[in-house]
Amino acid sequence: DQQVKQNSPSLSVQEGRISILNCDYTNSMFDYFLWYKKYPAEGPTFLISISSIKDKNEDGRFTVFLNKSAKHLSLHIVPSQPGDSAVYFCAAIFLINAGNNRKLIWGLGTSLAVNP
Amino acid sequence: NAGVTQTPKFQVLKTGQSMTLQCAQDMNHNSMYWYRQDPGMGLRLIYYSASEGTTDKGEVPNGYNVSRLNKREFSLRLESAAPSQTSVYFCASSPPLGYRRGYTFGSGTRLTVV
Repeated sequence: DQQVKQNSPSLSVQEGRISILNCDYTNSMFDYFLWYKKYPAEGPTFLISISSIKDKNEDGRFTVFLNKSAKHLSLHIVPSQPGDSAVYFCAAIFLINAGNNRKLIWGLGTSLAVNP
Repeated sequence: NAGVTQTPKFQVLKTGQSMTLQCAQDMNHNSMYWYRQDPGMGLRLIYYSASEGTTDKGEVPNGYNVSRLNKREFSLRLESAAPSQTSVYFCASSPPLGYRRGYTFGSGTRLTVV
């Protein structure tokens, strides 16, 4: 059973508009959420993260919103640029033992296409 | 540039052959990871090493072995390759509390087992 779900496999937006990528989760023990971007033939690169005690984190054109009651987070890209075209992975982390070891759970990704 | 280096980038194996995927990081990170990515399956953790001298199984360890040779290097070995191990393999590393800033990934090894 998937604990982190990205229900939209793909998204297409016009350059300059807002891109909104969504992620739902089921485990209330997650304490950190991250977004990664992945270009073809490259490894994922870290984009932005948010602690479970916050509801918003912003970094330039990228903002992540967390709605804990709905177990939902979203990544907003404003304005979208053609170079943002990539696969975006949502990931969540929770503490698995007293030794401070954490487990990272990944969504399946959403492919974003930003059209000029 | 500092980062995670994986070799080789591409490999074709015959069923039953063995090989070792190499990974090295120069960021002085404590933790290292091996993932595989398959279509429709996302990223799945094969093995990880929380620190030098320790290794632990992830979600899909069967058919693989790992070695944390030193702090920099973490290798993944396929003793007897099977077609089900056709995948893209990513190595990653992270510092303590690295989960807050994410992991650093290598560029991947595309493995085909025929």
